[in-house]
Amino acid sequence: QITLKESGPPLVKPTQTLTLTCTFSGFSLSTSGVGVGWIRQPPGKALEWLALVYWDDDKRYSPSLKTRLTITKDTSKNQVVLTMTNMDPVDTATYYCAHTVTLGSWYSDYWGQGTLVTVSS
Amino acid sequence: QSVLTQPPSVSGAPGQRVTISCTGSSSNIGAGYDVHWYQQLPGTAPKLLIYGNSNRPSGVPDRFSGSKSGTSASLAITGLQAEDEADYYCQSYDSSLRGVFGGGTKLTVL
Repeated sequence: QITLKESGPPLVKPTQTLTLTCTFSGFSLSTSGVGVGWIRQPPGKALEWLALVYWDDDKRYSPSLKTRLTITKDTSKNQVVLTMTNMDPVDTATYYCAHTVTLGSWYSDYWGQGTLVTVSS
Repeated sequence: QSVLTQPPSVSGAPGQRVTISCTGSSSNIGAGYDVHWYQQLPGTAPKLLIYGNSNRPSGVPDRFSGSKSGTSASLAITGLQAEDEADYYCQSYDSSLRGVFGGGTKLTVL
C-alpha cells in the first residue's frame, strides 16, 4: 500500500524560504522507473507541476520556477524535500507530493493529501 | 496560463454522456507523449482516472474512457452520475522536460 504525506509550515513570510517534506511508504525511491513529484494548487485554481526527482537522482524543474526550487531525496528515510526560495503571496497554495511512474509514460498514481501553505506577513 | 487547454466547464444530466477536451501542441501531446486524466472531488487530492491515454487504473468504472489524436485528447464519461461532479485535469509531458497540466474542467451534473 503506497502512501505519501506532506509536511511543512502552514505560514511563511514573504522573502522566506519554504521547506516541504514528503514522507512516503509502500515503495522505494531506488526502484527503476519511480519518481516523486511536487504539484501545487492555488486556492480555486488549477494544478501546477513543480518538480520531480527520479530513482537515479536525476531531477526536473518547472522552467518558470527553476531558479527558486531544489528537490532532494533521502532514500534511507523514504523522504523527498522541496525547497522554494523567496516566497511571495502568489505562492499561497496547497502543495502535493505524488508517486510518479516515469518509464514509458509519466503520470502520478498516488498522491498525498496536500498541505496548505499561506504566504503572508 | 496552463500549457494544455481545457474547457472551463461542462455539464450534463444524469445518464447522459459528456466529453472533456484537452488541447496541447507539438512539444507535448503532438510529440507523442501520453495524456493522463485526474479527477478531483471538492476538498480532496487529485485521483488518477486514466493513464497512458486510455487505460483505467483498477477500481475506475468503465464509464470513464480516454482517447488521443494528434495534439489533442479527450475524456468521455457515459451514464453520468451525481458522484461524477468534480474537477477534471489532463496532464502530459513536455519536450522542455517537465510535466504539464491543463487548466481543469468543472463538471456539473444537472
